[in-house]
Amino acid sequence: QKEVEQDPGPLSVPEGAIVSLNCTYSNSAFQYFMWYRQYSRKGPELLMYTYSSGNKEDGRFTAQVDKSSKYISLFIRDSQPSDSATYLCAMSPLSGGYNKLIFGAGTRLAVHP
Amino acid sequence: GAVVSQHPSRVICKSGTSVKIECRSLDFQATTMFWYRQFPKQSLMLMATSNEGSKATYEQGVEKDKFLINHASLTLSTLTVTSAHPEDSSFYICSATQGAYSNQPQHFGDGTRLSIL
Repeated sequence: QKEVEQDPGPLSVPEGAIVSLNCTYSNSAFQYFMWYRQYSRKGPELLMYTYSSGNKEDGRFTAQVDKSSKYISLFIRDSQPSDSATYLCAMSPLSGGYNKLIFGAGTRLAVHP
Repeated sequence: GAVVSQHPSRVICKSGTSVKIECRSLDFQATTMFWYRQFPKQSLMLMATSNEGSKATYEQGVEKDKFLINHASLTLSTLTVTSAHPEDSSFYICSATQGAYSNQPQHFGDGTRLSIL
C-alpha cells in the first residue's frame, strides 16, 4: 500500500464547475499538507500549504484536512481552462530534520470551455 | 515569492556522456535542496537531499556514484548524471527550502528534461 493515494484521473469538467480533488494517506505522523499544481513540462507550483486539520481558503481554492479520516481535499471554485494541469498532493511529518515530502501520483484535470 | 531556477531546461546527449544540472535559489538562501525524478504521468520520486556544506543523503535504490550532488553554497546545488545511459532519460526537478524543519514549504524549479540517445 502506498503512503499517499491519489486518483490519477483524468478529470474533465466544464468551465465554471466546482472541482474536488482528494488524497488519502496511511501515515498518522503527517502534519503538513500541501497542494501543488504542475503544468506540462514545468515544475510543481505551490498552491496551498496547511498544518494539521482544518480548512484554508485562498481565492478560488480551498484546502481541507481531516486527520481523523486521513483525508485531504482541494476544491477549485469557478474553474477556468487555465486550471487545466496536474494537481499533486504532498505531505510531511512533524518530526524530521529536513523537509522530506511524500507525493501523491497527481490528478490530471482538464477544464473545457 | 521564492524563485528557484534550474538550468538547462533540456538536454539531449549521447550515451556515456556526463551531464550537469544546476539548481539556484534566486531570492532566498536555501539551507536544503532536493532532487527529484519524474517519469511521464507519474509522481515525483525523491532521489536525494542535500544540505549546504555537507554530503547529500540518497534515497534507497539511488546510486550515489551515478548521481553526484554538490551543494557548495546556500544558493546553488548541482546534480551530475555520470556516464548517462538511455535508462537515465527522465525529467529531473530540484526544489529548495529556507528552513531545515517541516514547516517550511519547498519551492520547485521548472525541471530539466534529459534525453540520452
